[in-house]
Amino acid sequence: AQSVTQLDSQVPVFEEAPVELRCNYSSSVSVYLFWYVQYPNQGLQLLLKYLSGSTLVKGINGFEAEFNKSQTSFHLRKPSVHISDTAEYFCAVTQNTGNQFYFGTGTSLTVIP
Amino acid sequence: GAGVSQSPSNKVTEKGKDVELRCDPISGHTALYWYRQRLGQGLEFLIYFQGNSAPDKSGLPSDRFSAERTGESVSTLTIQRTQQEDSAVYLCASRTGQATNEKLFFGSGTQLSVL
Repeated sequence: AQSVTQLDSQVPVFEEAPVELRCNYSSSVSVYLFWYVQYPNQGLQLLLKYLSGSTLVKGINGFEAEFNKSQTSFHLRKPSVHISDTAEYFCAVTQNTGNQFYFGTGTSLTVIP
Repeated sequence: GAGVSQSPSNKVTEKGKDVELRCDPISGHTALYWYRQRLGQGLEFLIYFQGNSAPDKSGLPSDRFSAERTGESVSTLTIQRTQQEDSAVYLCASRTGQATNEKLFFGSGTQLSVL
């Protein structure tokens, strides 16, 4: 089974500063990678996903993530954060050999004005 | 419907009571998942339904937890003899089930509080 690790449980960052939220997974065998965002008092919604092709994927709200097979990582980045980016971010992995979605424990991003 | 619908949005119950949580997936979605999210924690997989196949129950934490789904429609998650540690947000998600690389669509969850 896969495991997903989000090492940073909380990330405070000043407005307009860059941010990176880290995600590592256990196996790179035919994986599909996702970042979900959960804004306060809202449901989870997809931020971006990597299925194949270019390792750099762009998502909504200026976020991007890079798939690194050798390091089994899929870190999320944004060059300049906004107050509205304050939310919980979840990394998730699924494989083409099954239907199970594996989620990380989440990273709470707090943007400080 | 337009999205995944869960009811009730909030449920407060007394320890030892049974509760039933409902999930209406997006029409046409054959795959349906239940997750539990405890305060400040990540998503914990509970159970997965795919069409008429036998469900994957590997995430159910105890025999007090059960879930049903008739065909490709509504699913209910039942927790018997609730305990305080069952307090959490219970999330339902669905997808079409046509490919393993599809994203999940999540409902807004049911906040369960066991007093």
